[in-house]
Amino acid sequence: EVQLVESGGGLVPPGGSLRLSCVASGFTFSNYWMHWVRQAPGKGLEWVSRIHNDGSVTWYADSVKGRFTISRDNAKDTLYLQMNSLRAEDTAVYYCTRDIPHRRLVPWGQGTLVTVSS
Amino acid sequence: DIQMTQSPSSLSASVGDRVTITCQASQDIGNYLNWYQQKSGKAPKLLIYDASNLETGVPSRFSGRGSGTDFTFTISSLQPEDIAIYYCQQYDSLPITFGQGTRLEIK
Repeated sequence: EVQLVESGGGLVPPGGSLRLSCVASGFTFSNYWMHWVRQAPGKGLEWVSRIHNDGSVTWYADSVKGRFTISRDNAKDTLYLQMNSLRAEDTAVYYCTRDIPHRRLVPWGQGTLVTVSS
Repeated sequence: DIQMTQSPSSLSASVGDRVTITCQASQDIGNYLNWYQQKSGKAPKLLIYDASNLETGVPSRFSGRGSGTDFTFTISSLQPEDIAIYYCQQYDSLPITFGQGTRLEIK
């Protein structure tokens, strides 16, 4: 079964840092581009970042550019999101998802909640 | 950035009703339009890709159509388990953008 499991969320003060992880199983992780998408409480979906399968190319939403870094360790089947200089508006559930042919995002992990508050 | 305008924002319908949601892109996105279902407390699930293709395992009562800037999503006969928020999403170019969502309720 194809599965993505996020972890690393929690409560962090404004200006703090956090690293999220997403462990993949059930497929050859190194063959796929991966994304992070977030959802603020009670709000819609917001794309955050994308990384190519070998980690060579990354893209970011303007709202996180310069503060967040996406990376991956294909030997560990793990995707990461390093989040620095966190702001209250970064409070959200963060999902990782796989990019498959026909530009589909399938599946999505269960999400991990990040709360930025003092 | 490509803006996705989805309507209505909420919808109440009866079991068995035909339900339609529309999504408009701010520029031509070809057919790079997906539809997702998000049930309460769960992750989004892909239903329709490339505007009109049904994802494997998704019931045939779900369908989509459109190209360019105007798209529609239809549930042919609403079922109780279809209570969810539905999002359109464009992947013609980065940043990927989503519609604001349509909350579907059973009357």
